[in-house]
Amino acid sequence: DIQMTQSPSSLSASVGDRVTITCRASQSLSNYLNWYQQKPGKAPKILIYAAFSLQSGVPSRFSGSGSGTDFTLTISTLQPEDFATYYCQQSYSTPPTFGQGTRLEIK
Amino acid sequence: QVQLFQSGAEVKKPGASVKVSCKASGNSFTAYYVHWVRQAPGQGLEWMGRINPNSGDTNYAQKFQGRVTMTRDTSVSTAYMELGRLTSDDTAVYFCARDLLSTITADAFEIWGQGTMVTVSS
Repeated sequence: DIQMTQSPSSLSASVGDRVTITCRASQSLSNYLNWYQQKPGKAPKILIYAAFSLQSGVPSRFSGSGSGTDFTLTISTLQPEDFATYYCQQSYSTPPTFGQGTRLEIK
Repeated sequence: QVQLFQSGAEVKKPGASVKVSCKASGNSFTAYYVHWVRQAPGQGLEWMGRINPNSGDTNYAQKFQGRVTMTRDTSVSTAYMELGRLTSDDTAVYFCARDLLSTITADAFEIWGQGTMVTVSS
C-alpha cells in the first residue's frame, strides 16, 4: 500500500494568514492526489482532486499543487470557517490511502 | 443534488456482525461507484472497499477481506456494508461515499453520507 505522510500534524494560524500543508507519498502518484476538509462530527468534504483541480463550489482561496511524490494544499487567506482537519488521499492505486491529517487551529 | 442517507447508530457485541445501509437520492444510483470509509474515534480515515452498483462487482481492502461484504439493491438505490466478527477495534464511524466520476472509479470521494457510529462493546 502507498503510505501518505502529511506535515505538519497540527498548525496554529490566524484569520487572514496564508497556510500551506504538505503531503508526501511513498511512491510516485503522478497527479492522483486529492484533498479533503473535515469538521468535527461531519463527513469529509472534497476540496481538490487530481492535485490541483478545484471542486465545484469550493472557494478559490484553496489551491493545490505538486506531482510525483510531493504535494501541497494552500489556503491563501484563512477564514474562520477554514479551521478544520485536512487530509490528503492518493487515488493512484488500490487501496486508496489517506494521510494522517493536519489539524488547523485558531491561534 | 444527490444525497446519501445512512442508517442509524448500532451497538454490537464482540463477534457479532453489523450491516449499514446507504440510500441515494435521485436517479443516478447505478452510475457511480460507492465506497466505504471508516474513522475510529479521534483517528484518521481508512478505506474499506468499493462496489459498482451497476454490476455488483466489489473490491475490498486486504485488511477486511473475508470479513466484509458490500452489496446493493438497485430497486431502492441502496448500498450495504456488512462487517462480521466484530472486535472493539471496529468501533468507528462508517461512511459511504459516492465516487467523483460516473461509470468508472476515480477513487475520489465526492458525496458522503452522514456517517453511522458502530460501537462494539461487551
